[in-house]
Amino acid sequence: GEDVEQSLFLSVREGDSSVINCTYTDSSSTYLYWYKQEPGAGLQLLTYIFSNMDMKQDQRLTVLLNKKDKHLSLRIADTQTGDSAIYFCAERASGYSTLTFGKGTMLLVSP
Amino acid sequence: NAGVTQTPKFRVLKTGQSMTLLCAQDMNHEYMYWYRQDPGMGLRLIHYSVGEGTTAKGEVPDGYNVSRLKKQNFLLGLESAAPSQTSVYFCASTEPANTEAFFGQGTRLTVV
Repeated sequence: GEDVEQSLFLSVREGDSSVINCTYTDSSSTYLYWYKQEPGAGLQLLTYIFSNMDMKQDQRLTVLLNKKDKHLSLRIADTQTGDSAIYFCAERASGYSTLTFGKGTMLLVSP
Repeated sequence: NAGVTQTPKFRVLKTGQSMTLLCAQDMNHEYMYWYRQDPGMGLRLIHYSVGEGTTAKGEVPDGYNVSRLKKQNFLLGLESAAPSQTSVYFCASTEPANTEAFFGQGTRLTVV
């Protein structure tokens, strides 16, 4: 079955880069996503990457996809305290667009 | 610009009570989904629907029923609530050709 794994916690200092990693198992995934969730809030789509790409950059965010190893990463440059949140990796199945989420990585940014 | 609206936002139920969560979307999307989020578990798919009148089971369907009588609405029912159903419930919708799923703001349900 499908499974998405993430490390649970990352702590960085303001101004540093953060790298959040994710591995997935479904080789038929069409899209891979990164969502951000602040305390008590809903899900905010940060970025996504199509499965035939290996990199996507969007302002401070860089997504790297290694399809051979089924490894996805999200790099946040110049991390700010406002980036403190839980980050979810998700893969989208090719059938009915259902999403399988990782358990989330809590990013804590200290001043 | 309503998008996906969930009703209610908060609810406390006693064990054994029933309730229905409503998800409404105004984007004419074919696909709709119900997920639950528990601490340390991420989001897990409960049920989904790929069109009016259709429903299918997801990863954790037990204890829930759904209906999609109208294209814009997807209802999630708990017939006899249990404490294990304490969770935050998210609804989402999308189209097959879309890259993005649109999520509601969530319903926080506590079963005591």
